[in-house]
Amino acid sequence: DAKTTQPNSMESNEEEPVHLPCNHSTISGTDYIHWYRQLPSQGPEYVIHGLTSNVNNRMASLAIAEDRKSSTLILHRATLRDAAVYYCILTSNRDDKIIFGKGTRLHILP
Amino acid sequence: NAGVMQNPRHLVRRRGQEARLRCSPMKGHSHVYWYRQLPEEGLKFMVYLQKENIIDESGMPKERFSAEFPKEGPSILRIQQVVRGDSAAYFCASSPRTSSYNEQFFGPGTRLTVL
Repeated sequence: DAKTTQPNSMESNEEEPVHLPCNHSTISGTDYIHWYRQLPSQGPEYVIHGLTSNVNNRMASLAIAEDRKSSTLILHRATLRDAAVYYCILTSNRDDKIIFGKGTRLHILP
Repeated sequence: NAGVMQNPRHLVRRRGQEARLRCSPMKGHSHVYWYRQLPEEGLKFMVYLQKENIIDESGMPKERFSAEFPKEGPSILRIQQVVRGDSAAYFCASSPRTSSYNEQFFGPGTRLTVL
């Protein structure tokens, strides 16, 4: 399975942008890049996904490097409710299960 | 459209008892996944089911654990003769599999405590 590497934790101030990095140097051509997050005491929730092009939705933006070996999840204006563990995951049609790594624990400072 | 439902939300069992965890997928979803999260750890895949079929059980412990997803009714994760090490949060997710990517929708989890 292709692996991802993320920092263990990050801090950001409230109402400032947050850039969460992810390295996936062994990504294959058909792997999608997914981001999920898990708020305290809750199940994971989908944030965003992409293949090659940058993506935007109401929650976040996903910037994908041209060689696809890394990506960055961007929260444009962090709030206290964005404090969570953020997981960067590779998925493909070959395998339906999600392999979760340790993720990045994001702390938001008021 | 209701989300993924799991019940019970909290379950307490004594060692040696059986635990049954239920998961109702989102309407129209025929693919169900179970994950386990031990305290202070990440989620680990356990099993993937479609209606009446187990597709991938590579993450299931070889003994005491079983899962089903009958034609009618919720998916059930069953743990026989529970031990303290089974204490964890168990999350169910569902997927419609109508797209080429694999977005999964997670339930709130069942927190199992074994005394």
